[in-house]
Amino acid sequence: KQEVTQIPAALSVPEGENLVLNCSFTDSAIYNLQWFRQDPGKGLTSLLLIQSSQREQTSGRLNASLDKSSGRSTLYIAASQPGDSATYLCAVYGAGKSTFGDGTTLTVKP
Amino acid sequence: DVKVTQSSRYLVKRTGEKVFLECVQDMDHENMFWYRQDPGLGLRLIYFSYDVKMKEKGDIPEGYSVSREKKERFSLILESASTNQTSMYLCASSFLINRGTAKNIQYFGAGTRLSVL
Repeated sequence: KQEVTQIPAALSVPEGENLVLNCSFTDSAIYNLQWFRQDPGKGLTSLLLIQSSQREQTSGRLNASLDKSSGRSTLYIAASQPGDSATYLCAVYGAGKSTFGDGTTLTVKP
Repeated sequence: DVKVTQSSRYLVKRTGEKVFLECVQDMDHENMFWYRQDPGLGLRLIYFSYDVKMKEKGDIPEGYSVSREKKERFSLILESASTNQTSMYLCASSFLINRGTAKNIQYFGAGTRLSVL
């Protein structure tokens, strides 16, 4: 059974810092991995999708990497802003189903 | 832009009531999903559907049923709501590449926060 772990559960940083969020998974037989953002009381917004054959994807200040063999992905956020404060979830997709991590709650202080 | 619309943002129901949660997507996606999200438990898949009138159980289908009469609409039904079904319910959709798999991006609705009293 696939298990997805995100560490740390919560992170607080001052504005302007670069930071890394971690996602690990136990079964490397995945099709792709997706990073989401969730604001309090809201749905999930897709940030980046990495196919299993890719090693990284970039969108603006966000960069996601994937190391399938070691079962790890990271989400790098450059020059963090208070508006980045949210919960970030990763999800891995295997045959027939997706498995989500519990998320990392990020607070960026002005 | 893909749009996944859930009919209600907030619902309050009484124990034993029949509850319908509606979800509509406008991108002609084959796959549609219903999740619930609870503190400390993360997102858990209730049911998903890869085609009209097709459905598959997820991790926690007990106490729920679904209906997919049209491609764009996926309904979650609580036949007799109970207090332990108080939760945030999230609908999602995606394209189908191969039957039985979900290889593409999932797009989520804004969520329905259901309280069962």
